[in-house]
Amino acid sequence: QQQVRQSPQSLTVWEGETAILNCSYENSAFDYFPWYQQFPGEGPALLIAIRSVSDKKEDGRFTIFFNKREKKLSLHITDSQPGDSATYFCAASDRSGGSNAKLTFGKGTKLSVKS
Amino acid sequence: NSKVIQTPRYLVKGQGQKAKMRCIPEKGHPVVFWYQQNKNNEFKFLINFQNQEVLQQIDMTEKRFSAECPSNSPCSLEIQSSEAGDSALYLCASSLSWAETLYFGSGTRLTVL
Repeated sequence: QQQVRQSPQSLTVWEGETAILNCSYENSAFDYFPWYQQFPGEGPALLIAIRSVSDKKEDGRFTIFFNKREKKLSLHITDSQPGDSATYFCAASDRSGGSNAKLTFGKGTKLSVKS
Repeated sequence: NSKVIQTPRYLVKGQGQKAKMRCIPEKGHPVVFWYQQNKNNEFKFLINFQNQEVLQQIDMTEKRFSAECPSNSPCSLEIQSSEAGDSALYLCASSLSWAETLYFGSGTRLTVL
């Protein structure tokens, strides 16, 4: 049973366009949602994160939109650059769970930005 | 850039052999996680520590996998008898606390022939 789902599996956009990556989850107890960026041969690197008390989090060209009622969130990458080409993982955890607060990951969206 | 250091980057073992990988968490981070990422990009939680104490581990790690995080030494994950299905990227991550961001290392890519 997959608790965190991502779509699309892969996405291609042109340089300068906005890329939209989607994520949904099942566990209502999840309250922390980080997005990780992973390049081939590297470990995931934290890109941006949001807590469930917020509905939007912005950091430069990266914005998370969060809908708690629908259990959905999305990552918007504006003015996409070829260097943004990577796999993006949505993750979730229940931080009230203390030491049980491990991250649950989606299967990722592979983004390609063409110039 | 992540300050979690994992060695070796690549590890090749035959079936039945031991495979050991190491992780130096970011300085001052008492919480350490190990995840397995397979070729389908699925992350599987293996085990976590706070300081030197194991807090959670999945059944798989209780059988063939062992891990430790001794004080003043790197953490380690060892597979006693490697199987082909163990081929994956093994990721170590550390954090200041359970409620803080998890920072990952570059991983050890294990290939079991």
